[in-house]
Amino acid sequence: EVQLVQSGGGLVQPGGSLRLSCAVSGFTFSSFWMHWVRQAPGKGLVWVSRISGDGSSTSYADSVKGRFTISRDNAKNTLYLQMNSLKGEDTAVYYCGRGVPDYWGQGTLVTVSS
Amino acid sequence: QSALTQPASVSGSPGQSITISCTGTSSDVGGYNYVSWYQQHPGKVPKLMIYDVINRPSGVSNRFSGSKSGNTASLTISGLQAEDEADYYCSSYTSSLTRVFGGGTKVTVL
Repeated sequence: EVQLVQSGGGLVQPGGSLRLSCAVSGFTFSSFWMHWVRQAPGKGLVWVSRISGDGSSTSYADSVKGRFTISRDNAKNTLYLQMNSLKGEDTAVYYCGRGVPDYWGQGTLVTVSS
Repeated sequence: QSALTQPASVSGSPGQSITISCTGTSSDVGGYNYVSWYQQHPGKVPKLMIYDVINRPSGVSNRFSGSKSGNTASLTISGLQAEDEADYYCSSYTSSLTRVFGGGTKVTVL
């Protein structure tokens, strides 16, 4: 069974940092591109970032470029999103997703507030 | 990276068919056959309904179908049911090697 289990969300002050994790099981992790997608409260889905199966290729939405870093550890079957210089507008539920994405994590809330 | 354009809301009676449009540009929807559609019920994780414009994942009802013409993709729900009431999002691969979502469409079953 394909599973994506997220952790690492929470409350952080503006300008602060947070790292999200997405631990996967049930499939060959290194064979899939992985994504991060976010959804602000009451708003729509917004694509954030993606990374290739071997980690050699990444891309970002303009709104997070230079502040967020996507990475993966294929030995640990885990995807990461390092978020720095956080702003209020980064407040959202963050989802990790596999491939299309077809399978999604359960989502984790990041709240940026003083 | 402008969001794809979707109607804010679409409604229909049980048993009817409805179509949700998703308009982009030649740099995203029109340039690639990598359009996907998601269904999201309130408080729930998005569910993939259509991928690569026309393909349905295993387990998704055949009442859901996708198509594309030029820069506009469409999701059609036939035989509308109460359980289809949800938000629907389209997504496309882009020439910038990114993905982009539409603003979402709220489907109401009258």
